[in-house]
Amino acid sequence: QSVLTQPPSVSAAPGQKVTISCSGSSSNIGNNYVSWYQHLPGTAPKLLIYQNNNRPSGIPDRFSGSKSGTSATLGITGLQTGDEADYYCETWDNTLSAGVFGGGTKLAVL
Amino acid sequence: EVQLVESGGGLVQPGGSLRLSCEASGFTFSSYDMNWVRQAPGKGLEWVSSINTNSKNRHYADSLRGRFTISRDNAKNSLYLQMDSLRADDTALYYCARLASVSGHAQDYWGQGTLVTVSS
Repeated sequence: QSVLTQPPSVSAAPGQKVTISCSGSSSNIGNNYVSWYQHLPGTAPKLLIYQNNNRPSGIPDRFSGSKSGTSATLGITGLQTGDEADYYCETWDNTLSAGVFGGGTKLAVL
Repeated sequence: EVQLVESGGGLVQPGGSLRLSCEASGFTFSSYDMNWVRQAPGKGLEWVSSINTNSKNRHYADSLRGRFTISRDNAKNSLYLQMDSLRADDTALYYCARLASVSGHAQDYWGQGTLVTVSS
C-alpha cells in the first residue's frame, strides 16, 4: 500500500480535461514539494511537474499541477491519445526519510 | 545531452547478490544527488535509495535497509547499487535518476533501466 493515494484509473475523451489526485499527509505532501511523472512501462519515466506546479522545458502547458494542504492534483487538458500512460505523484516523506510515490493512475483516452 | 545508462542486471538466485551500475554523461555528475527507483512486474514505481553529492547522506526504503547499499564514484561519473540477500520480490526493472538542481525531490532525468530477476 502506497504512502500517497492516487485513483487507479481515470478516463476521458480526446480533447477533454482530466484531473488526477494525490493524497498524502503532513509528513510528506503537507511539507514538501510534489512532482508528477508520466510513465509507459519499460521506458524511462518523464518528469511533468516539479515544485508542485512548475513544468520543465519541453512539457506543454496542457499539463498543470497544484497543491493544497496534504493533497496535490495533476491536470491535463486537450487530451490526446498519446497521453495514455501511467501517472505518478512523488515527494519526500520527512518521517520515513525516504522518497515516496503514489500507486499510479492509468489514464485512458477513449 | 544528459544520459544515464544502467547495467549489471540479470538472473540471480534467491539469497544472491548483484551490483548495478549507472554511468552518467552530459552533465557534471558530482554536482547532483542521485536516486535508484524500481518497478516490479505489474506494479508501480517504488523509490529505492538516494545519495547526495559527497556520499555523506544516503537514504533507503525501509524494506531494503541493510540489504542494499548505494554508492557513487564521482571520478568515474558512476552510481552503484549493491544488492545482497536478494529475494523474489526484488525482481524489477531498476532505474537510476538524477535529482533536479532545484529544491524538492524532482527526478529530471532517468535511464532506461536494467532488469533484475531473482529466481531459482
